[in-house]
Amino acid sequence: AQSVAQPEDQVNVAEGNPLTVKCTYSVSGNPYLFWYVQYPNRGLQFLLKYITGDNLVKGSYGFEAEFNKSQTSFHLKKPSALVSDSALYFCAVTRRRGSGAGSYQLTFGKGTKLSVIP
Amino acid sequence: DAGVIQSPRHEVTEMGQEVTLRCKPISGHNSLFWYRQTMMRGLELLIYFNNNVPIDDSGMPEDRFSAKMPNASFSTLKIQPSEPRDSAVYFCASSPTSGTSSHNEQFFGPGTRLTVL
Repeated sequence: AQSVAQPEDQVNVAEGNPLTVKCTYSVSGNPYLFWYVQYPNRGLQFLLKYITGDNLVKGSYGFEAEFNKSQTSFHLKKPSALVSDSALYFCAVTRRRGSGAGSYQLTFGKGTKLSVIP
Repeated sequence: DAGVIQSPRHEVTEMGQEVTLRCKPISGHNSLFWYRQTMMRGLELLIYFNNNVPIDDSGMPEDRFSAKMPNASFSTLKIQPSEPRDSAVYFCASSPTSGTSSHNEQFFGPGTRLTVL
């Protein structure tokens, strides 16, 4: 079984300050990790992903995330928050598959609401 | 490309009625996913198709729910009969993912907000 934990339901940060949205995961084998963002009344939008290689992954809108295998974490970060970053953020995990078709399930966390205060 | 298209965007129905949600994936994507989002349970995967074939339907809550994908450009999620606890936002997503390349991101539609009275 695979799971994702986002320990904070809500994160508040002042505009211009750095932000961090936390994510830890549990999966057998090597993980693929994703961050998505959801704006009100919209579907989820892909931000970034970790597959392999460099532990620091850069994505859309200035976001980045750091994969830490020993801590099974994949925290989302941004050096300087914007009011327009206010949204719901989801971390997700799946595991690498072997050859041949098989079940592919992306497991999402419950989401963290980010509020950037002007 | 217009992205993933879902219809209707909003549906209000009465308990016991049949509800059909529709999805058109992005052209060329061979995987399609149906999700349900509620405040209580978050985002849940209901069913996943690869090349129009249902691969994993373990998330379908009960027999009242059924999903089909008759061709590569169309899928439906049907609830019959509907119940108030089915009220949620239903998302369709597509991905150029095969069973061996599960790292490709999914592209989500705008969702259908279903209210069952």
